Amino acid sequence: KAGVTQTPRYLIKTRGQQVTLSCSPISGHRSVSWYQQTPGQGLQFLFEYFSETQRNKGNFPGRFSGRQFSNSRSEMNVSTLELGDSALYLCASSLVQGNTGELFFGEGSRLTVL
Amino acid sequence: QKEVEQDPGPLSVPEGAIVSLNCTYSNSAFQYFMWYRQYSRKGPELLMYTYSSGNKEDGRFTAQVDKSSKYISLFIRDSQPSDSATYLCAMSRNTGNQFYFGTGTSLTVIP
Repeated sequence: KAGVTQTPRYLIKTRGQQVTLSCSPISGHRSVSWYQQTPGQGLQFLFEYFSETQRNKGNFPGRFSGRQFSNSRSEMNVSTLELGDSALYLCASSLVQGNTGELFFGEGSRLTVL
Repeated sequence: QKEVEQDPGPLSVPEGAIVSLNCTYSNSAFQYFMWYRQYSRKGPELLMYTYSSGNKEDGRFTAQVDKSSKYISLFIRDSQPSDSATYLCAMSRNTGNQFYFGTGTSLTVIP
């Protein structure tokens, strides 16, 4: 069974640009969550989608947005990039919404903002 | 104050040692507690999952939760070089997949 796939794995952008990251969950998983990982802050929750609806949102500015498609694939977008947005963006999928602890993470998209 | 605090290490131990990793938290509403392992350039993978207080054992790994002290631990017995990774604690409230992670402890097991 294929795991969570994230694309692109690495990307470099400049301040002010925007970026779109993609996540394909494990087949059959309907919940997709996004996290930002930085050395100082660790993993911080961005948002969760289930059945194309955003169910939870973390404390990030409106520049961070996402969506989920009918096939459960998800994208997140960051507009007007800032230097502080440089991070590893992790997508995680789970079978159902709700708390089971069984989040399956992808390998992440490493964003560098210059 | 961060909701979850974790000593970042790094922690270096000889092969075969017992490793103790710890996290403290401030939110008494947390009910679900997890430990993830993250190898370099990989995503986190779930190691242990515990609901409420108590101990849980899985092979060489034991997770402990003390809700009265707001303190969780992961013990690794007979540590192996393959255990070298960053260990992340995580916890959540009752619904949704909003997990609160520690910053991770970097562990190196020396052969």
